[in-house]
Amino acid sequence: KAGVTQTPRYLIKTRGQQVTLSCSPISGHRSVSWYQQTPGQGLQFLFEYFSETQRNKGNFPGRFSGRQFSNSRSEMNVSTLELGDSALYLCASSLWTANTGELFFGEGSRLTVL
Amino acid sequence: SQQGEEDPQALSIQEGENATMNCSYKTSINNLQWYRQNSGRGLVHLILIRSNEREKHSGRLRVTLDTSKKSSSLLITASRAADTASYFCATDLQGAQKLVFGQGTRLTINP
Repeated sequence: KAGVTQTPRYLIKTRGQQVTLSCSPISGHRSVSWYQQTPGQGLQFLFEYFSETQRNKGNFPGRFSGRQFSNSRSEMNVSTLELGDSALYLCASSLWTANTGELFFGEGSRLTVL
Repeated sequence: SQQGEEDPQALSIQEGENATMNCSYKTSINNLQWYRQNSGRGLVHLILIRSNEREKHSGRLRVTLDTSKKSSSLLITASRAADTASYFCATDLQGAQKLVFGQGTRLTINP
C-alpha cells in the first residue's frame, strides 16, 4: 500500500507570493491533517479535513487555507507569504478522525520564503 | 503553549544503554501517542496508549501512562545507532478533537 505522498518536496518562494501544497493520503483514509514544523515553535496543528469537511482548525491566520477533494486528496494554500512561513509542512492521514488513532505522515514539503 | 512537554530536550547515550524520555501534559486526555522523526523527515508512529491503560509494550519500546500525574514515559531498551532521532509525544485532549505535539526529545545514540 502506498504511503502518504506530499508534493512538492522543496520549494522556494519570495515574500508576497502564494503557494499550494498537495497531499495524497493512504488509500481508504478519510482524514488528512496538516502541521507546520519550525525549530522555534515545533509542530503546530494547522487544520484537519475529514470527508471533505474541515473538522478542526489551529491558531493560524486566514492566509492559511486548505481543502479536501472527494478522493481524499488535500491541498493547503498560503497566500501573501511572509518570511516566518518558512517551515516544513507535514501532512498526515488516518483511517478515522486524526485524534483517535495512528497518523501516517508524509515526508513533508520544505518551504523557504526569501 | 504546547500541551505535551518532553523531558529532557536532548539525550545522548552509548549504544546498548536504555533511553528514557518523559512527557507531561496539563489537561485530561483520551489517549497519548509517541512518534519518532528522523532528521527532516516525516514522523513515524510508535505507540498509542489510552487513558485507561497504564503500560504498553512494542518490541524494545515500553510506554507508561500515569493520568494522576499527567505524565507518560517512553523507554527504549538496548539502544541502537538507528534509534538516533527526535521523539515526540502527542496528546488527544478531551474535547479538543486534535492531536497536540510536544517539542520533542532529541536522542543521540553513540556507537
